[in-house]
Amino acid sequence: DAGITQSPRHKVTETGTPVTLRCHQTENHRYMYWYRQDPGHGLRLIHYSYGVKDTDKGEVSDGYSVSRSKTEDFLLTLESATSSQTSVYFCAIRGQDRGTDTQYFGPGTRLTVL
Amino acid sequence: QKEVEQNSGPLSVPEGAIASLNCTYSDRGSQSFFWYRQYSGKSPELIMFIYSNGDKEDGRFTAQLNKASQYVSLLIRDSQPSDSATYLCAVNTGVGQGGKLIFGQGTELSVKP
Repeated sequence: DAGITQSPRHKVTETGTPVTLRCHQTENHRYMYWYRQDPGHGLRLIHYSYGVKDTDKGEVSDGYSVSRSKTEDFLLTLESATSSQTSVYFCAIRGQDRGTDTQYFGPGTRLTVL
Repeated sequence: QKEVEQNSGPLSVPEGAIASLNCTYSDRGSQSFFWYRQYSGKSPELIMFIYSNGDKEDGRFTAQLNKASQYVSLLIRDSQPSDSATYLCAVNTGVGQGGKLIFGQGTELSVKP
């Protein structure tokens, strides 16, 4: 499972409240990613990190911020949650498989915004 | 906008048949291609990757890549009910892109006993 955990695994919150999701990895990978998955859209990249304090935006970054103060933790924050952010959120790390860079996913967080 | 397209399905095949899943991509600079399997309620798991034109076989799975036509496919031989899942195609668009992957919307496969 590439040593990736996500917390919480499930969360229900109300519109307008802040929410932080945590991704934790145990194998010292440099690159980490946050995706959301919605029916009909597949996985879409929100933000990614290429090192401590180094982050960049993905294709659906509006309304989200991230932080990475330690190699092992990558936090995703919804400053003021909206119903459109109801989704399943996956964290991923970049690893190697037989010399090819690829990504391995955490178990996911199901977020419901009422 | 770089795009990866898959038929959403569902694709239904009988047990023992060959399942064929297809994916097209828009960016000619794409360098490596991945197939992930995702069971309902679970996270995607990598099953194959390919980066050279032609076929790559791994057990019952064969990935096929045609860069000139910009498509990649996954064949599953001797399909089993346990292969029933959503299959996601993903494309790495190249060096300097932070290892980012662009995903298709996934094809749902149902293998009937």
